[in-house]
Amino acid sequence: KQEVTQIPAALSVPEGENLVLNCSFTDSAIYNLQWFRQDPGKGLTSLLLIQSSQREQTSGRLNASLDKSSGRSTLYIAASQPGDSATYLCAVFGSSNTGKLIFGQGTTLQVKP
Amino acid sequence: NAGVTQTPKFQVLKTGQSMTLQCAQDMNHEYMSWYRQDPGMGLRLIHYSVGAGITDQGEVPNGYNVSRSTTEDFPLRLLSAAPSQTSVYFCASSSQSRGTSGYTFGSGTRLTVV
Repeated sequence: KQEVTQIPAALSVPEGENLVLNCSFTDSAIYNLQWFRQDPGKGLTSLLLIQSSQREQTSGRLNASLDKSSGRSTLYIAASQPGDSATYLCAVFGSSNTGKLIFGQGTTLQVKP
Repeated sequence: NAGVTQTPKFQVLKTGQSMTLQCAQDMNHEYMSWYRQDPGMGLRLIHYSVGAGITDQGEVPNGYNVSRSTTEDFPLRLLSAAPSQTSVYFCASSSQSRGTSGYTFGSGTRLTVV
């Protein structure tokens, strides 16, 4: 059974700091991994999608990496801003859970001005 | 705008009432799923569908029913609402097999059962 873990559960950093959010999964037979952002009381916004054949994806100040063999992904946020404050979720889609997206518990980020 | 549309956005039910949460997508996606999100529990899969006429149970299916008669629609039915079903419900869809285009989520339905 696929399990997804995100560490840390919460993170508080000063504005301008570079930071890394971690995601690990137990079954490496995945098709892709997706990072989402969720603001309080809102829905999920897709940030980055990494296919199993890819090692990383970039969008603006965000960079996500994927290491299938070790079952890990990281989301790197450069030059953090107060507007980055939100909960970040990673989710995997794999052969052992066809049709299902399995989520981690999320990391709640606070960027202080 | 293309995407996943959920209705209603908010709903209050009395215990024992039934209702249907609507979900529609206009992207011709094969895969559709329903999740519930509760504090401290994260997102949990209720039911999912890999195509019209095909549905399967997720992690927490009890008390919920689904059907997929068309590619576009995937309604979630609460048979007899209970306070434990108070939650935020999200519908999501993805194209192609293996979710190669990633999942798109609706804006959610916030349900309170009193």
